[in-house]
Amino acid sequence: AQSVAQPEDQVNVAEGNPLTVKCTYSVSGNPYLFWYVQYPNRGLQFLLKYITGDNLVKGSYGFEAEFNKSQTSFHLKKPSALVSDSALYFCAVRDYNAGNNRKLIWGLGTSLAVNP
Amino acid sequence: NAGVTQTPKFQVLKTGQSMTLQCAQDMNHNSMYWYRQDPGMGLRLIYYSASEGTTDKGEVPNGYNVSRLNKREFSLRLESAAPSQTSVYFCASRPFDIFTYEQYFGPGTRLTVT
Repeated sequence: AQSVAQPEDQVNVAEGNPLTVKCTYSVSGNPYLFWYVQYPNRGLQFLLKYITGDNLVKGSYGFEAEFNKSQTSFHLKKPSALVSDSALYFCAVRDYNAGNNRKLIWGLGTSLAVNP
Repeated sequence: NAGVTQTPKFQVLKTGQSMTLQCAQDMNHNSMYWYRQDPGMGLRLIYYSASEGTTDKGEVPNGYNVSRLNKREFSLRLESAAPSQTSVYFCASRPFDIFTYEQYFGPGTRLTVT
């Protein structure tokens, strides 16, 4: 079965430190992977995606993600965290069983808290 | 562009009441989706519409109906609300592009059923 796992419910980092939010996946074909961010009381915003090509993908707000095929992971990273990065982060993967319906399979989310 | 808009932002219903959540997008997207978000359960797909004139069930369709009124609008109806439907509801849309999977979300509707 296809799935996405975000193994940490919450991540705490100090402002200025590097941050990593973890995501692992299991799919039946080549993975299309996505990261979204949800600020309090807001909708989800697209951050970045990996479809093919360079394993390091750069996205919005200084975030990047590293695709690792052998570890089936797609971890979200930022070199220097800001308090304003505090939010809920979702990883998602293309649902191969959806055919042309282009659905996504979502992780449960990781709450990131950046402490001043 | 307003993007994806949802109305209302907040709603309180009594058990058994009905209501319709409205969603509209001005990005000329073909596909539209309704999700619910509950603590610890992430996002769950209720219904989706791959294109105007089509709708399909997602993971949790029971207790809901949808209407794809036109290309812009996709509404979600609760015929007889239950406390288990207390949630935050998000509408999303996606452009018609075989390489585009990312979805664009509205701000959400926070629904409480008492």
